[in-house]
Amino acid sequence: GQSLEQPSEVTAVEGAIVQINCTYQTSGFYGLSWYQQHDGGAPTFLSYNGLDGLEETGRFSSFLSRSDSYGYLLLQELQMKDSASYFCAVSSGYSTLTFGKGTMLLVSP
Amino acid sequence: EAQVTQNPRYLITVTGKKLTVTCSQNMNHEYMSWYRQDPGLGLRQIYYSMNVEVTDKGDVPEGYKVSRKEKRNFPLILESPSPNQTSLYFCASSPTGTGGDEQFFGPGTRLTVL
Repeated sequence: GQSLEQPSEVTAVEGAIVQINCTYQTSGFYGLSWYQQHDGGAPTFLSYNGLDGLEETGRFSSFLSRSDSYGYLLLQELQMKDSASYFCAVSSGYSTLTFGKGTMLLVSP
Repeated sequence: EAQVTQNPRYLITVTGKKLTVTCSQNMNHEYMSWYRQDPGLGLRQIYYSMNVEVTDKGDVPEGYKVSRKEKRNFPLILESPSPNQTSLYFCASSPTGTGGDEQFFGPGTRLTVL
């Protein structure tokens, strides 16, 4: 089976940098994705790492280390609108996506 | 506009009364999937479909059925709903379903079973 661990809640202030970690255990691994979900809304795709290293998309970056079964999402220059839940998700088969339980990010002024 | 639509958005029903939640996508995606989201449990996959007439179980398929007769539609059927199926349901689609594909989610259906 698959299991993912990520912190349940992270708090930060506007303008700061925050890192949300994700560790996983899975049989078969294709890659690690990150999704954002504002309260009650649809999850939206942020990034995908299929290979080790850092992927950068604007203020957001995502990192993967396959050997450590570990990844993180880095959010820079935090804004109030970044307050949301963030989910890591493992592709462990051709077509299955297993989500973590989510990290609620609270950004304060 | 490229989108995934779900209907109804909200539904309150009673135990045992069959219901169907529809899902449709206009992006010609091959892959579609259903998830349920419960507080503290994240998103859990119910069923997925790689293409027309091809469906498979996800992590929590018990009590649900799906069908994929057309590429754009992927309805979720609860033949005899029970209170433990009270949840927020999301339909999603992606071009091929492979790991790197972005999954596009519908707006969600909030179901309450009394």
